[in-house]
Amino acid sequence: GESVGLHLPTLSVQEGDNSIINCAYSNSASDYFIWYKQESGKGPQFIIDIRSNMDKRQGQRVTVLLNKTVKHLSLQIAATQPGDSAVYFCAEPGNTGKLIFGQGTTLQVKP
Amino acid sequence: DGGITQSPKYLFRKEGQNVTLSCEQNLNHDAMYWYRQDPGQGLRLIYYSQIVNDFQKGDIAEGYSVSREKKESFPLTVTSAQKNPTAFYLCASSIGGGNEQFFGPGTRLTVL
Repeated sequence: GESVGLHLPTLSVQEGDNSIINCAYSNSASDYFIWYKQESGKGPQFIIDIRSNMDKRQGQRVTVLLNKTVKHLSLQIAATQPGDSAVYFCAEPGNTGKLIFGQGTTLQVKP
Repeated sequence: DGGITQSPKYLFRKEGQNVTLSCEQNLNHDAMYWYRQDPGQGLRLIYYSQIVNDFQKGDIAEGYSVSREKKESFPLTVTSAQKNPTAFYLCASSIGGGNEQFFGPGTRLTVL
């Protein structure tokens, strides 16, 4: 079956350090991946996406890396700030056209 | 401003009552979705609609119902048949299936 999973449910980092959040996917035919950020009590917000014809995409302080060989996706946040504290989800389109979401990683930023 | 709205933000109901959660979008998106989120958990798909007047069950549709009479509106009814309705409910929309979804702010439903 299809599944999208994150390696760690919780990640704790020091303010100013870089954060790396990982995601493993099972569908080798997936051609599009999205990262969402969900702050407490709010809806998920789009952060960045990547197509399968790329292995890296950069945004403002965020970078997504895609390794299709091992079906692994990561989100890197540079100089992590308190405002980055949230739950991060990866998502990919399923066979029926819906998005399949991972379980989420909670990022805690220590001052 | 374009966006997706949900109302109310907090909702309290007595056990055994049906309750309808509102979701409206002015993004001109064809597809709309309802998710349920329990504390510390991911998103579980309840229902989705890829076009007006059509909708499909998601992974946890039992005890819920929806309608899609207008493109911009996708209300969710939590019926008394839902065994454990207390949760955070999220509505989303997208241009089409499999594309980036835009989420509303959510409705927190508490059944007393």
